Amino acid sequence: RKEVEQDPGPFNVPEGATVAFNCTYSNSASQSFFWYRQDCRKEPKLLMSVYSSGNEDGRFTAQLNRASQYISLLIRDSKLSDSATYLCAVKAGGFKTIFGAGTRLFVKA
Amino acid sequence: SQTIHQWPATLVQPVGSPLSLECTVEGTSNPNLYWYRQAAGRGLQLLFYSVGIGQISSEVPQNLSASRPQDRQFILSSKKLLLSDSGFYLCAWSVTSGSGETQYFGPGTRLLVL
Repeated sequence: RKEVEQDPGPFNVPEGATVAFNCTYSNSASQSFFWYRQDCRKEPKLLMSVYSSGNEDGRFTAQLNRASQYISLLIRDSKLSDSATYLCAVKAGGFKTIFGAGTRLFVKA
Repeated sequence: SQTIHQWPATLVQPVGSPLSLECTVEGTSNPNLYWYRQAAGRGLQLLFYSVGIGQISSEVPQNLSASRPQDRQFILSSKKLLLSDSGFYLCAWSVTSGSGETQYFGPGTRLLVL
């Protein structure tokens, strides 16, 4: 089993739709969780950290479910500009952060 | 504010040639630094990380090496490139905050080995 797994997609959604991605992790000792956005041929950019209580930033909501060992990202009112690959990242102790392979999202007009 | 630079942006090299990729960070002191490789359509593979000058930890055995000659400089090298070394090389630095250690990436170097 991979340490961090994501559905590669692609998710094809119309503008204005709500879409959700999950990311599962295997290490129950994981402490920090993040979502990154990566545009084609660009570097990943931090979208948001994921807190135990969940957090929201505009149209984006991140949740953590420790019991089932997954994090989620919900995007409401999708925009064309949301089209990208979304990477989850999980960190246990030490210096190593494990990244998922990413979920591709295409938002269509 | 902190910025991270990588060069070159793109590189085409023949098999067996040497490699040197450079990463520098501005606006912070004693950062943790990381080298990742991302193959086409794949996830990020951690290659090396460094917590200080001269301190390098390797995550995977391969023909690559890393060095940190200065606090904010991280170099990835190879004596002889392989075809399998092609990929997108990303340098990252990290900061520890309330949400844990957050990593920020440089613009990357796209390497094609022919």
